Amino acid sequence: SQQGEEDPQALSIQEGENATMNCSYKTSINNLQWYRQNSGRGLVHLILIRSNEREKHSGRLRVTLDTSKKSSSLLITASRAADTASYFCATGSPIQGAQKLVFGQGTRLTINP
Amino acid sequence: NAGVTQTPKFRVLKTGQSMTLLCAQDMNHEYMYWYRQDPGMGLRLIHYSVGEGTTAKGEVPDGYNVSRLKKQNFLLGLESAAPSQTSVYFCASRPTGGGASETQYFGPGTRLLVL
Repeated sequence: SQQGEEDPQALSIQEGENATMNCSYKTSINNLQWYRQNSGRGLVHLILIRSNEREKHSGRLRVTLDTSKKSSSLLITASRAADTASYFCATGSPIQGAQKLVFGQGTRLTINP
Repeated sequence: NAGVTQTPKFRVLKTGQSMTLLCAQDMNHEYMYWYRQDPGMGLRLIHYSVGEGTTAKGEVPDGYNVSRLKKQNFLLGLESAAPSQTSVYFCASRPTGGGASETQYFGPGTRLLVL
């Protein structure tokens, strides 16, 4: 079963606006990661936040993590047409010496020019 | 560096046929993973490997086998394809260690259609 549940499933905004996507999960985690997937392509890592961190920034991206609520949010500021993609949260936890990522179903983001 | 590559990019199979998907990485990563992605869903882990000669089952392993004979390659096999295995298959790799090393690097995917 998928641990991450993302909200909304689809989001359409105007270029220049901010986009916020939310992710909730069920069990304890080591970290939470966000990935972007352009149509027909593989996933590209955006940002990783560890379970003992509350907020992280990378360029126009801001990620928050609330482990008490088992939730995270991804904020993309000043959106651009090139940000149009699907965004997935993935929770990281150990599995037999490796790390298992469990993905949410994704948020499909459309930036309108 | 090419990163993570997958072959083939697209394949059509008939029910009952077999095939092997190849994943190759040139980053000297220890860990490799196979996922499948179905429409409107996130990725689900099929099998993974923590090093050359090792494999382990993920979330949805039934109907698939894997091998990691060389560190840089991770093969996913379908012995008798079924329509339920129609999906996009992604391979990923990552180095050992924590922190930023926990990021996974993905290949471009293989689209498989089973008729």
